[in-house]
Order: sequence, then C-alpha cells, then structure tokens
Amino acid sequence: EPEVTQTPSHQVTQMGQEVILRCVPISNHLYFYWYRQILGQKVEFLVSFYNNEISEKSEIFDDQFSVERPDGSNFTLKIRSTKLEDSAMYFCASSVRGGAAGELFFGEGSRLTVL
Amino acid sequence: DAKTTQPNSMESNEEEPVHLPCNHSTISGTDYIHWYRQLPSQGPEYVIHGLTSNVNNRMASLAIAEDRKSSTLILHRATLRDAAVYYCILRDGADSWGKLQFGAGTQVVVTP
Repeated sequence: EPEVTQTPSHQVTQMGQEVILRCVPISNHLYFYWYRQILGQKVEFLVSFYNNEISEKSEIFDDQFSVERPDGSNFTLKIRSTKLEDSAMYFCASSVRGGAAGELFFGEGSRLTVL
Repeated sequence: DAKTTQPNSMESNEEEPVHLPCNHSTISGTDYIHWYRQLPSQGPEYVIHGLTSNVNNRMASLAIAEDRKSSTLILHRATLRDAAVYYCILRDGADSWGKLQFGAGTQVVVTP
C-alpha cells in the first residue's frame, strides 16, 4: 500500500539552527500538508500546499517557516532559526484531492528536539 | 470549522463493539463528518467520513443522526490494535483546501 514517508525520524538541533524536514508524499497526490504535535497536545495545522504554492497557512506558520516542493517528489518544511518551542512531532500529509471529501494520508512523523 | 464534542475516553473489551459518540450541533449543510485515529507514536490515520447517509468501510461504520447534529463511529469488534485516540472532525465542503482541525479526541482503551 502506498504511504507517505518522512525523514529524519528524529532530529536534535541547537536553538537558532536551521532544520529541514523532508517528506515524500504518495505519488499521484496533489495536495500536501504539514501538521505538528507538541508532546501531549493536539495535532495542529501548519500549512497546505497545492500547485506549487501555499494555499493556506495557520498563525503558527510565521516567517521562520517555509515549504517547498523542489523536485516533484519531495515536499520539505524548513525552519530557519529554531526555537525551543519548535520542539514537536511534525507530520506530513498528502491527498489526491482537496476539499472536504478527500482523505489525508499522514506520514509517521519527524520528531524535532531543539536544545 | 464547526466544533465537535467527544468524550475524553472510553473503555472496551477486546472483540466487543465500540460506539464512539460525537456531537456537532452547529454543523452546517456543507460540513462533512470525518473520523481519524492516532495510534501511539504514529501519525493520524483516516478512518471514515460521511455527509448525510450512514457509511461502512473495512475499518468501521459511521452512523449519522437524521438532523446531522451528532454521529457515532462504530468499531464492530475491537482489537488491541484499535487502542488509539479517535478524532471526530468537521470539514467545510465550501473550503477548497479542506484542512483538518483536530480536537482532543477520545482515547479508546481496549482490554483483553
């Protein structure tokens, strides 16, 4: 069964460093998302991406965050200068279609620890 | 997105059915009812969704009240692998991008 894959599974970084989290969505999917989950808290929406541009983003997704689909298969989330509060699980998701009737497929997540 | 209300937790015995309620009294006519679950240390996983009619798939059944103000996710025979947090989420049919807004969900505990 096709799946969304994420790398790395765990990254430890120092505060202020740049981090790139990578995702390979399911191959025929067109809609891509990043979510995050701080330990013990809800899963939070960060950003959605379609047709090579951001379609929607949350208040969390400030200027420190960026997303890119550099080569037609990878979908990346970059955090420019990490803060302690960026420590969380980051989940990538993809969907073959947008809108309310489509289902999202999530990856296993990348755990980011900022020291 | 309209809000949903779910119990914090539910317990079930293995091989028995589990009925997970969800209240969404402010649902609009274009809102789809989605259920996702999150197993420990994993990403969320799609379970089922519906608009007005009851739905069945290999994982579960979704029973939607006639007035659509509530719904119930039914796991027909709980297994230990079904222990997870289950999220009832409304997605606006008028929203082209259809982002999911997760709440706290219901923690399902399955005992052997």
